[in-house]
Amino acid sequence: KAGVTQTPRYLIKTRGQQVTLSCSPISGHRSVSWYQQTPGQGLQFLFEYFSETQRNKGNFPGRFSGRQFSNSRSEMNVSTLELGDSALYLCASSLAERGVYNEQFFGPGTRLTVL
Amino acid sequence: GQNIDQPTEMTATEGAIVQINCTYQTSGFNGLFWYQQHAGEAPTFLSYNVLDGLEEKGRFSSFLSRSKGYSYLLLKELQMKDSASYLCAVREAATDSWGKLQFGAGTQVVVTP
Repeated sequence: KAGVTQTPRYLIKTRGQQVTLSCSPISGHRSVSWYQQTPGQGLQFLFEYFSETQRNKGNFPGRFSGRQFSNSRSEMNVSTLELGDSALYLCASSLAERGVYNEQFFGPGTRLTVL
Repeated sequence: GQNIDQPTEMTATEGAIVQINCTYQTSGFNGLFWYQQHAGEAPTFLSYNVLDGLEEKGRFSSFLSRSKGYSYLLLKELQMKDSASYLCAVREAATDSWGKLQFGAGTQVVVTP
């Protein structure tokens, strides 16, 4: 079974631009979560989607948004990029079934650099 | 709010045992996860605890005490490949939510020959 895939793997943008990152979960997984990882802040939760609905949102400004499609694929968008948005963006998927512990499987991440 | 604390770095010798502690103060609790992350790679799942006690998986064991807000990950028979960051993460008790994990900053384990 293929793992979580994320595209692109690397991205360089300038301040003020906007960016869209894509995530394809493991086949059969219905929950997709996004995290931002930086050396200073560690892994921070951005949002979670399940059945095309946002279930949870972290403490990030409204410039960060996301969506999930009917095939469970997800995208996240960051508008008006700032230097501090430079980070590794990780997507994770889980089965989302009751009665099991539903560990999250992480993709390789998208390394975003804002200049 | 949530607070998850773990040591920044630990060093141990190949073949030894290392115990990584994690304490948490969260508004809800629906399980604690341990992940391993090698430099430049994605985190990979190691263990899950939701009830008090010890879970053993090969060379790795994880313990949970919910009343104390405390967990540890035990790595036995350390190998050089175990050099990595170990992340403690807590899942809040939320209905119909499986994916919101609050992570600690990670413990960098350095295994020396």
